[in-house]
Amino acid sequence: DGGITQSPKYLFRKEGQNVTLSCEQNLNHDAMYWYRQDPGQGLRLIYYSQIVNDFQKGDIAEGYSVSREKKESFPLTVTSAQKNPTAFYLCASSMRGGGPEAFFGQGTRLTVV
Amino acid sequence: QQQVKQSPQSLIVQKGGISIINCAYENTAFDYFPWYQQFPGKGPALLIAIRPDVSEKKEGRFTISFNKSAKQFSLHIMDSQPGDSATYFCAASKGGGSNYKLTFGKGTLLTVNP
Repeated sequence: DGGITQSPKYLFRKEGQNVTLSCEQNLNHDAMYWYRQDPGQGLRLIYYSQIVNDFQKGDIAEGYSVSREKKESFPLTVTSAQKNPTAFYLCASSMRGGGPEAFFGQGTRLTVV
Repeated sequence: QQQVKQSPQSLIVQKGGISIINCAYENTAFDYFPWYQQFPGKGPALLIAIRPDVSEKKEGRFTISFNKSAKQFSLHIMDSQPGDSATYFCAASKGGGSNYKLTFGKGTLLTVNP
């Protein structure tokens, strides 16, 4: 089945640690995105990538890093510099130039303990 | 600056009633307006979308109404069902080139009582 797979579903992090969230898609989409969701805040864009080996900061990139070494993969690292990392993280993908419809993964809930 | 404002924050409707969620945008360059439905613990799923060249789009019980001059668009859910209980997000994006990143509203929690 085609889709977007995020792992793990739940993640616990100690303060001061970096953690990496995985996002893989088999939709052959060029563009991939990371959003953060907090209660009452909607979805806020962290990073996005339109093509392999290229990515841009979104609205709340501080404390996060990404890589795009393969078309199918767009991992997100939440660094210790992110002051309030507890949130629901959503990965999405879309066709570049072929339409704006974005498809989302099932999310990773990150909790700092 | 909040580019897409969504209201109400929460909405309670009786089964069979009409649910209406409104959004307003500021950037006139936006040219794609989707609505997403999200169930607890799940990722959002595209429900219906519209472009500004039409004033209304209907898919089953879901209708988007679009008012370009007022920079507003709304989602109407006819014959609302308990299974429609979810959080709904409006969004907007501007195309051109390869940039389709979405700007989301803050969401509306819809509860449909049986």
